This record gives sequence, C-alpha cells and structure tokens, in this order.
Amino acid sequence: QVQLVESGGGVVQPGRSLKLSCAASGFTFSNFAIHWVRQAPGKGLEWVAVISFDGSENYYTDSVKGRFTISRDNSKNTVFLQMNRLRPEDTAVYYCAKDRGADASAGSDYWGQGTLVNV
Amino acid sequence: SYVLTQPPSVSVAPGQTARITCGGNNIGSKSVHWYQQKPGQAPVLVVYDDSDRPSGISERFSGSNSGNTATLTISRVETGDEADYYCQVWDSSSDHVVFGGGTKLTVL
Repeated sequence: QVQLVESGGGVVQPGRSLKLSCAASGFTFSNFAIHWVRQAPGKGLEWVAVISFDGSENYYTDSVKGRFTISRDNSKNTVFLQMNRLRPEDTAVYYCAKDRGADASAGSDYWGQGTLVNV
Repeated sequence: SYVLTQPPSVSVAPGQTARITCGGNNIGSKSVHWYQQKPGQAPVLVVYDDSDRPSGISERFSGSNSGNTATLTISRVETGDEADYYCQVWDSSSDHVVFGGGTKLTVL
C-alpha cells in the first residue's frame, strides 16, 4: 500500500535551518510529483512547494521562495525540504503529498501524517 | 495571485444534502480538487478533476464546476462527514497550487 512518512521536524530558533524528509513506498516513486503542504495551528492548508517526477521542475509559494529548497532522490524514494532562515510564521505541521500526475496539477491522492515544525 | 473563496461554515441535518462552494475567477476553466480533513488527521482527496471520485470514496460525494463557482455536494449526509473541506486548483499563470480557506461542515 502507498505510504508517505515525514521526518525531521522539531523545535528550532528563528533564523536557523531544518531539513525535512519524506520517505515513500508502495508506488513507482519516480513517476509522480510530490508536494509539501503545511498547516499552522488552527489554520487551513497552505501549499509550500512541489517537485516534478524527475526533479527538473520545482515551484514554491512566495513566502518561502529563496529560503526553502525542495529536492528528491529517486534512487531512495525520498523527497526533501531544506528550510533556511526560519521564521515564527513557518510554525506548522508539514505534510508531504503525492500528486496523481507527473507534474503538479492533478490533485494529491496520498498524504503523510505530517511532521511538526515549531519555530 | 489567484484566490479561492469558500464559506467558513456550512450546517446540515443528517440525511440532507450539503453543498460547499468554491469561488474563483473563471474557475470553470480549471480542474478543481476537493479534500476532507478530520481533526488530527491528514487530508483525504474526495473529488478530483471537478467531479471524479477516487476509489474508496462514497458515491455520496460529487462535484461540479462552471463559470466562477465549483461545488462539492454531499448527499444523504452522515455524522461521520463532519469535517473541514478544502478546494484546490493549479494556477498555471503563477505556477502555484492554490487552496481555498476551508469550510467547516457541521452535521446538526
């Protein structure tokens, strides 16, 4: 069965860095785009970033552009989110989510359980 | 940037039909996806591409999209449908995924 497992969250001081990982299994990882979506406490869903199936394309929400970097290792079925210069407003549960397609527009059919980042 | 507008809350009695709207400029030209999120849980895709259902999702969930409004319809509402619902699109002009603000469905 499809599984996405996030790790790497924790408590961090403003201005510091953190790297999240999303380990995937149960599907052909290299065929699908992967998103990071976050949810601040008591708030709605906010899209953060997406990486295409082969890593050739990636896009970011404006508030993290230049601070966060999404990457993937298809040999290890893992996606990463490197978060630099963290701000208190980055505090949220971070979910990774599998897109139904190779790019970013088909909807996310599987989600991890999330990892909490507290800045 | 593209904006999706949802009502903050919708209330419905069990057995009735709930309709949750998602407004956006010419949203009818985009593919809309809908998610259900229960407290403490990850979101679940309930409708994709305006009106298709993933396997395992009840046929009570349906969607439509035209003009400036997309709608998620939940028929014969059950207490277990109580959750937050989010619409989502891909905005090709900005290369961004956009979520609506979410709608809390209360089953009276």
